[in-house]
Amino acid sequence: EVQLVESGGGLVKPGGSLRLSCAASGFTFSSYSMNWVRQAPGKGLEWVSSISSSSSYIYYADSVKGRFTISRDNAKNSLYLQMNSLRAEDTAVYYCARARIVGALPAAFDIWGQGTMVTVSS
Amino acid sequence: DIQMTQSPSTLSASVGDRVTITCRASQSISSWLAWYQQKPGKAPKLLIYKASSLESGVPSRFSGSGSGTEFTLTISSLQPDDFATYYCQQYNSYSVLTFGGGTKVEIK
Repeated sequence: EVQLVESGGGLVKPGGSLRLSCAASGFTFSSYSMNWVRQAPGKGLEWVSSISSSSSYIYYADSVKGRFTISRDNAKNSLYLQMNSLRAEDTAVYYCARARIVGALPAAFDIWGQGTMVTVSS
Repeated sequence: DIQMTQSPSTLSASVGDRVTITCRASQSISSWLAWYQQKPGKAPKLLIYKASSLESGVPSRFSGSGSGTEFTLTISSLQPDDFATYYCQQYNSYSVLTFGGGTKVEIK
């Protein structure tokens, strides 16, 4: 079964750091671009970051640029999001999502994880 | 950056109704548009990609159309399982991807 499972969310104080992970299974992870998308409570979807299959191309939303770092380990079938200098407005469910087409960036997102909640509060 | 504007933000409809949701881009995105369905507490689900291509496994009552700056998602006959929030997303730009604000389809 094709699956993405996020982990690493939790409660963190403003200014703190958190590292999210996304474990992929059921497909050739190293062939696909991957993405992070977030959703603040009661709000819409916001694209956060994208990374190409070989990590050659990386993009960030302006709202997280300079604070978040996306990375991947194809040997471990894993995607990561290192979040530093966290703010209250970063509070959201964070989803990892797969690009629909092998090698494509950008692309529609066809497989999503269940999400992990990040709460930034003192 | 490309802005995506969805309308309406909320839509009240009955089972069997034909429903149309509109998404407008602030500049041309060719056909690089996707539609997602999201139910409360769940991850989004891809319905349509490249403006009008139906994702595998998605019922044929869903259809998408448009190109350039104006796009529509149509549900030909609304079913009980279709009450959800729908989002459009542009993926024309390599460096910034954008979602619309969402359209909540409610029971009338």
